[in-house]
Amino acid sequence: ETGVTQTPRHLVMGMTNKKSLKCEQHLGHNAMYWYKQSAKKPLELMFVYSLEERVENNSVPSRFSPECPNSSHLFLHLHTLQPEDSALYLCASSQGNEQFFGPGTRLTVL
Amino acid sequence: GESVGLHLPTLSVQEGDNSIINCAYSNSASDYFIWYKQESGKGPQFIIDIRSNMDKRQGQRVTVLLNKTVKHLSLQIAATQPGDSAVYFCAESPGQNFVFGPGTRLSVLP
Repeated sequence: ETGVTQTPRHLVMGMTNKKSLKCEQHLGHNAMYWYKQSAKKPLELMFVYSLEERVENNSVPSRFSPECPNSSHLFLHLHTLQPEDSALYLCASSQGNEQFFGPGTRLTVL
Repeated sequence: GESVGLHLPTLSVQEGDNSIINCAYSNSASDYFIWYKQESGKGPQFIIDIRSNMDKRQGQRVTVLLNKTVKHLSLQIAATQPGDSAVYFCAESPGQNFVFGPGTRLSVLP
């Protein structure tokens, strides 16, 4: 266990649904990240939060909406997704250079 | 733009042999590099890191080599075991965030 947990582990949703992914870190880190991992593509950074403030948004479509209520929790709110958004969504946290990853949420959009 | 790539997308080795996984990076400003291991159904897990002021760093059964002249990074795994079967990613950091390579799948043959 890395100290980063993600729920749910698997999610199937329709294009009109609204769902949220949750990430929690128990490491006392001050930065949290959302990544998207698609088949045959490198990990793509989506959002970065440092000290609960968003510091980077890598041109992610507005149908993905992050929320960081405190330094231990990170959410990714999903609405009106497309089938091509199906992927593994990974959360990570860091205090310094090394990033610790959660197990990911496997998302399937029908 | 920045990019990190791998020479070989798949690598099969005999159990007990040594494995070498290669990575090329393009940003000469990168000063920190990490190798991650990702097993099926799990998030990436830190293996070993190296800073640009070093050429070599050793861990338990793993060694990372950095050649800044040709922007090349390699991961050597000694006495490869079945538990080493996974996808291995290199990542470079020119600043706060990381750029990940596409990954190499390592298969250990009995």
